[in-house]
Amino acid sequence: AQKVTQAQTEISVVEKEDVTLDCVYETRDTTYYLFWYKQPPSGELVFLIRRNSFDEQNEISGRYSWNFQKSTSSFNFTITASQVVDSAVYFCARTGANSKLTFGKGITLSVRP
Amino acid sequence: EAQVTQNPRYLITVTGKKLTVTCSQNMNHEYMSWYRQDPGLGLRQIYYSMNVEVTDKGDVPEGYKVSRKEKRNFPLILESPSPNQTSLYFCASSLKHPSYNEQFFGPGTRLTVL
Repeated sequence: AQKVTQAQTEISVVEKEDVTLDCVYETRDTTYYLFWYKQPPSGELVFLIRRNSFDEQNEISGRYSWNFQKSTSSFNFTITASQVVDSAVYFCARTGANSKLTFGKGITLSVRP
Repeated sequence: EAQVTQNPRYLITVTGKKLTVTCSQNMNHEYMSWYRQDPGLGLRQIYYSMNVEVTDKGDVPEGYKVSRKEKRNFPLILESPSPNQTSLYFCASSLKHPSYNEQFFGPGTRLTVL
């Protein structure tokens, strides 16, 4: 199976700190897609971003930014000036030619006031 | 309101007693999928369906069945549940394959098999 690795399992920061969540993926596909999802304490899963393998431009959305580097097979997520409401489990995922969506194990982010 | 619904939300059952978890979406989505979430393992795909009458195995299909007779419904069937199927289950849907469209998740079903 082509894995998605989120090596960090838990991160704890103080509010207003910047934090980067790492994601490394394996793929044999030329075309593939990468995702980030957020799971707040309430339990629902919220889509954050989708990126295709041909688009290596970094993306910024408010305090969130994503850095996609094909050379290192990484798709890292940075939260700038973190807030307590950012506390959640964050999942990175990929899909490719086999249509299966594979998630990483998730990173639990705790933002303390 | 556009949504994915799952029932039941919580279920405690015993080994071997067949059960069905229903999933329904009202967005006319073609793609539907089931995942299980376990501590330390993240989300793993059980089965997915690209459209009516088209289903395929995900990464952990053993012990599960699905059917897609109608576009809006995608039930998950456990013919003979075992304790290792105790988990949090999510149903999800997207307009087409999630490579191209955002995937919407249901609220989850917490299943305990004794």
